[in-house]
Amino acid sequence: SQTIHQWPATLVQPVGSPLSLECTVEGTSNPNLYWYRQAAGRGLQLLFYSVGIGQISSEVPQNLSASRPQDRQFILSSKKLLLSDSGFYLCAWSAPRGGQGHIYEQYFGPGTRLTVT
Amino acid sequence: AQSVTQPDIHITVSEGASLELRCNYSYGATPYLFWYVQSPGQGLQLLLKYFSGDTLVQGIKGFEAEFKRSQSSFNLRKPSVHWSDAAEYFCAVGALFRTGNQFYFGTGTSLTVIP
Repeated sequence: SQTIHQWPATLVQPVGSPLSLECTVEGTSNPNLYWYRQAAGRGLQLLFYSVGIGQISSEVPQNLSASRPQDRQFILSSKKLLLSDSGFYLCAWSAPRGGQGHIYEQYFGPGTRLTVT
Repeated sequence: AQSVTQPDIHITVSEGASLELRCNYSYGATPYLFWYVQSPGQGLQLLLKYFSGDTLVQGIKGFEAEFKRSQSSFNLRKPSVHWSDAAEYFCAVGALFRTGNQFYFGTGTSLTVIP
């Protein structure tokens, strides 16, 4: 079966410090990978998605970046954190596009709670 | 443009009562629709999904949802709510793009269950 891991679970970082959040998926190959941010009491904001190694699409211009160095690894980074970067970060995966353009459901990791102080 | 609207920000129901959470979507083609549940501090768990076929779909934890194309709706229902159902519920629509699949989420409905 497939599993998705995120770490760390919680993180407290000062403004201006760097960030690295990691997401890994097991039990599948060539997944679509996604990073979302969820502000307190709000919905999900798509930050990045990737359909393959080195292929990153950005949805929201900001000081965050993403990389996919391996097929099942997705990393969210920042060189200098802002207070507004605080939130709950969720990684998700879905199977790649199926035949006839089928869309498969997403599966989410447990999330990382980031507090920027 | 694709979008999902969940008109109810917060709903309170008594334990044992029935539940219906509303979801309306905007999508130009045949929609792929999903309902997720999120407990505090946790990730999202898939409750059910609709791709095609029977418009009434069954999910986990006793939930069901009905797809109504004429109303662009995909409402979530449960006949008898349990205290453990208290959580945040998200409706989502999947969209096909040349660069990959994307998912659009509603802003969520927070469910409180009172004894």
